[in-house]
Amino acid sequence: QQQVKQSPQSLIVQKGGISIINCAYENTAFDYFPWYQQFPGKGPALLIAIRPDVSEKKEGRFTISFNKSAKQFSLHIMDSQPGDSATYFCAAGPSNTGNQFYFGTGTSLTVIP
Amino acid sequence: EPEVTQTPSHQVTQMGQEVILRCVPISNHLYFYWYRQILGQKVEFLVSFYNNEISEKSEIFDDQFSVERPDGSNFTLKIRSTKLEDSAMYFCASSESLAFGEDYGYTFGSGTRLTVV
Repeated sequence: QQQVKQSPQSLIVQKGGISIINCAYENTAFDYFPWYQQFPGKGPALLIAIRPDVSEKKEGRFTISFNKSAKQFSLHIMDSQPGDSATYFCAAGPSNTGNQFYFGTGTSLTVIP
Repeated sequence: EPEVTQTPSHQVTQMGQEVILRCVPISNHLYFYWYRQILGQKVEFLVSFYNNEISEKSEIFDDQFSVERPDGSNFTLKIRSTKLEDSAMYFCASSESLAFGEDYGYTFGSGTRLTVV
């Protein structure tokens, strides 16, 4: 059973455009939803995270939207820049047990100058 | 900024050989993890480790795998008899606590690319 489904697999956006990546999760017990950014040859790095008690969190150009009833969350990158080109992973899991996170399959984002 | 350090960055081994992947977690972190990523696929959980014992392991983490914290700084993953399908990027991660918040969670290392031939 795939706990976290992520789409699209790849995304090409013009510089200045909006990049949107979507994720859906299965387990209603999950209460921590981070997004990780991974550049080639590097490990995933925490980009932004949200808890289910809020519907949106914004940090600079990055926004997470969260829909608890639909069990979906998405990452929006406003004013996308070539430096944002990376692979983005969503994840979901419990926030306070240290048990495993379930990662999505990743989205390869390319921002064209 | 503190980092999780992994060595080697790339290891090639023959099928059936034992490999040890090494990690130095962030010094004040207490919880340690191994994840792996087969090329082009999702990041998969292997094992979590706390207080010198395994907290949780996935079905991937079978008897061929073991983890150890041999001293106060290193955290190792051993694969006893490697198979071709063990070829992947292995990521070590650590966290300060079990409570993950909006601004903190895992810190991943840069990974060790294991190639089994």
